Amino acid sequence: ILNVEQSPQSLHVQEGDSTNFTCSFPSSNFYALHWYRWETAKSPEALFVMTLNGDEKKKGRISATLNTKEGYSYLYIKGSQPEDSATYLCARSSNDYKLSFGAGTTVTVRA
Amino acid sequence: DGGITQSPKYLFRKEGQNVTLSCEQNLNHDAMYWYRQDPGQGLRLIYYSQIVNDFQKGDIAEGYSVSREKKESFPLTVTSAQKNPTAFYLCASSIATGRQPQHFGDGTRLSIL
Repeated sequence: ILNVEQSPQSLHVQEGDSTNFTCSFPSSNFYALHWYRWETAKSPEALFVMTLNGDEKKKGRISATLNTKEGYSYLYIKGSQPEDSATYLCARSSNDYKLSFGAGTTVTVRA
Repeated sequence: DGGITQSPKYLFRKEGQNVTLSCEQNLNHDAMYWYRQDPGQGLRLIYYSQIVNDFQKGDIAEGYSVSREKKESFPLTVTSAQKNPTAFYLCASSIATGRQPQHFGDGTRLSIL
């Protein structure tokens, strides 16, 4: 993988259901993996910064896992609520501090 | 409240005109960044600065220029050499390491008249 890729591009989930989506990234020269939530008409907000292989982080109903050897991270949303509707961005940093962003996964929670 | 302020929110440019987008932060962050977003694409890095009076080109620096004379400020100039400037521009700042989250402004949408 040469670039950061996110899949799917968009998804719809029923309120109360859980969902997850993927971020794939080059595993060489890995430094950190960032997740951001970007709600409409707001600025992107940091969710997690993950650095260690096997790391898991949690913030409320949202959690993320990291596999640096194979170059992927999963973001999970448990019991989706309408306020979870947003575009979720992942970004990989190498040791020169620059972030390379994926195109995002847009989540729409249906009531 | 601490944060990042971008202005203006909307900007219109005539062909051949340079325009400057403002970005100010009061988070005391050393590093600042400019990104561009186009439909269906991820944020692409234009320029970044890790310290005052120093900055580096990102992935798409052609047609853009920046300055970093003060820690709080990182203005971006879109020059007439940028052939496709219509886009959404985001400014961010962070503690100067790739292991700290970036804090973003609300963005400026630039359009060509």
